[in-house]
Amino acid sequence: EIVLTQSPGTLSLSPGERATLSCRASQSFTSAYLAWYQQKPGQAPRLLILGASSRATGIPDRFSGSGSGTDFTLTISRLEPEDFAVYYCQQYATSPTTFGQGTKVEIK
Amino acid sequence: QVHLVQSGAEVKRPGASVKVSCKASGYTFTSYDISWVRQATGQGLEWMGWMNPNSGNTGYKQKFQGRVTITGTTSISTAYMELSSLTSDDTAVYYCARKGSNSGGWFPFDYWGQGTLVTVSS
Repeated sequence: EIVLTQSPGTLSLSPGERATLSCRASQSFTSAYLAWYQQKPGQAPRLLILGASSRATGIPDRFSGSGSGTDFTLTISRLEPEDFAVYYCQQYATSPTTFGQGTKVEIK
Repeated sequence: QVHLVQSGAEVKRPGASVKVSCKASGYTFTSYDISWVRQATGQGLEWMGWMNPNSGNTGYKQKFQGRVTITGTTSISTAYMELSSLTSDDTAVYYCARKGSNSGGWFPFDYWGQGTLVTVSS
């Protein structure tokens, strides 16, 4: 199965700053079947990005995704207070679908 | 408005089984696959298996083969996940999640249930 490694484990930033989260795959995808989710404490994950770079319905444009092959990035251009959460990447190129271990974005 | 509403928390003894339900509303239940994903406390997300409510076809992560069964009752738009031979390692929050496309192949999950905490303890 494809292993996704996210870095850093924790990102300490202030509101208004830019966040850059990385997701690296153990093998290359044939297509950009990579998604990003946001999860807040006590809540289910929320789909942010699919197809590596397409925002899901209702997701603000401060969230953007990029990448291909084995290296993918989620960027939050200017952090809002509600963006402090844990972010997971997911590959759905091959079965079984797998998730990264998460990056926590915390308030500095 | 799509909703997935799961059954309540469970406490089970080691060796027992647990069955969690997921009631769907706001869309045609038979049109979208349902998956189950679990999350141990403070840990990441782990996909367990999927079901096509229309055909009844299922697929499971190899790790759970023989121990997990995903079923559905279309008349009440409800999916179920049963996990047997429980150990303390199965203590986790279990989520149902809808595949975000009704076409073939894999797709991200666009709607999730609220989660069900299953605690395995003697």
